[in-house]
Amino acid sequence: GESVGLHLPTLSVQEGDNSIINCAYSNSASDYFIWYKQESGKGPQFIIDIRSNMDKRQGQRVTVLLNKTVKHLSLQIAATQPGDSAVYFCAPKAPTDKLIFGTGTRLQVFP
Amino acid sequence: DTEVTQTPKHLVMGMTNKKSLKCEQHMGHRAMYWYKQKAKKPPELMFVYSYEKLSINESVPSRFSPECPNSSLLNLHLHALQPEDSALYLCASSRWTGSTNEKLFFGSGTQLSVL
Repeated sequence: GESVGLHLPTLSVQEGDNSIINCAYSNSASDYFIWYKQESGKGPQFIIDIRSNMDKRQGQRVTVLLNKTVKHLSLQIAATQPGDSAVYFCAPKAPTDKLIFGTGTRLQVFP
Repeated sequence: DTEVTQTPKHLVMGMTNKKSLKCEQHMGHRAMYWYKQKAKKPPELMFVYSYEKLSINESVPSRFSPECPNSSLLNLHLHALQPEDSALYLCASSRWTGSTNEKLFFGSGTQLSVL
């Protein structure tokens, strides 16, 4: 029979290419945004964050872009490696509000 | 030490059992959290403790009972669980809950199976 279920959005990239993972949020009061990486069997790991008074922040091989006008942020990973394979969650946060995770994107890196 | 340690890593329990999940951090954080994560879904907040006091309960059934004995420890007591409670239970901590840009540090979780 047919099985029906929810599937994580998946991004497949070749090793060495750049990856772009997108996240849309709805609460215009959100002023702090975190990206987490979750590998299989592990808890979420902090990657990078950005406050609403910035539109770009860079880390090691990662860049987060924030567009408050359209309530969108993206995570760019340069020179993607097999170790980057994981599920990536964005987590927008409004002042005094709880940290709520987005639905997540699975990144698959193939050789 | 930037770790949040959770024990056990795996737990199988029957619906009549009583068990506890444990979480420990030594970063001096004063906020601790329990999240529940089903397969292929994002973590969902269950409880928040701030300065050892329960500050948020996300309408979690009473068969889940949190406890914060001190600022470094967080427990989740389980009793009369249902098979649909099977999930990965994640503990997290942050310096405090009062400011906007508080990042959470997560443990590796306890994978719970209820038979």
